[in-house]
Amino acid sequence: DIQMTQSPSSLSASVGDRVTITCRASQSISSYLNWYQQKPGKAPKLLIYAASSLQSGVPSRFSGSGSGTDFTLTISSLQPEDFATYYCQQSYSTPLGFGPGTKVDIK
Amino acid sequence: QVQLVQSGAEVKKPGSSVKVSCKASGGTFSSYAISWVRQAPGQGLEWMGGIIPIFGTANYAQKFQGRVTITADESTSTAYMELSSLRSEDTAVYYCARDQGLGIAAAGSRGFDYWGQGTLVTVSS
Repeated sequence: DIQMTQSPSSLSASVGDRVTITCRASQSISSYLNWYQQKPGKAPKLLIYAASSLQSGVPSRFSGSGSGTDFTLTISSLQPEDFATYYCQQSYSTPLGFGPGTKVDIK
Repeated sequence: QVQLVQSGAEVKKPGSSVKVSCKASGGTFSSYAISWVRQAPGQGLEWMGGIIPIFGTANYAQKFQGRVTITADESTSTAYMELSSLRSEDTAVYYCARDQGLGIAAAGSRGFDYWGQGTLVTVSS
């Protein structure tokens, strides 16, 4: 099975900050990497698919990059509604796997 | 607009089974993969398995093999997830999710664009 790791596990940031979250796969997954945002009590929301494609309706301050084993999610200017937990997910092969999550909270 | 509506919360005894439904509306049901993802309290997301209704064959995570059955009824646009031999560690919110690609993984997968509202399954004696 492909293992997914994320760093950091949590971070504190201020509105307007640039935030970067890293995701690493235990083997190459090409660009089969998706990013989700989850708020408490809600289902996850797809932000980025195929490593760098912005999902329809998602603000352009979110961007994704990477391929192979190393990926990043960047929020260019953090907004109040962005405080949430972020998960990466590999869709290269089954079992599909999620990273452990990165919680972004208010500094 | 696609909607996935799941069945309601369940409380089950250890050793019993639970069957959660996920009814789709507003889109084409049969061609898109439906996966089941669970989230234990305060924990991360865990993929259990998925199915492409038009093909009917499910793909399961090894961890749940033998305990989980995922099916789909094209006539009612409903997917089901049944988990047996329940234990306390199965207490979680169970989500169904649709992949916006036409497959479960690799070139067929483009991420889960629609999710159900979640079903809380509590396993307690």
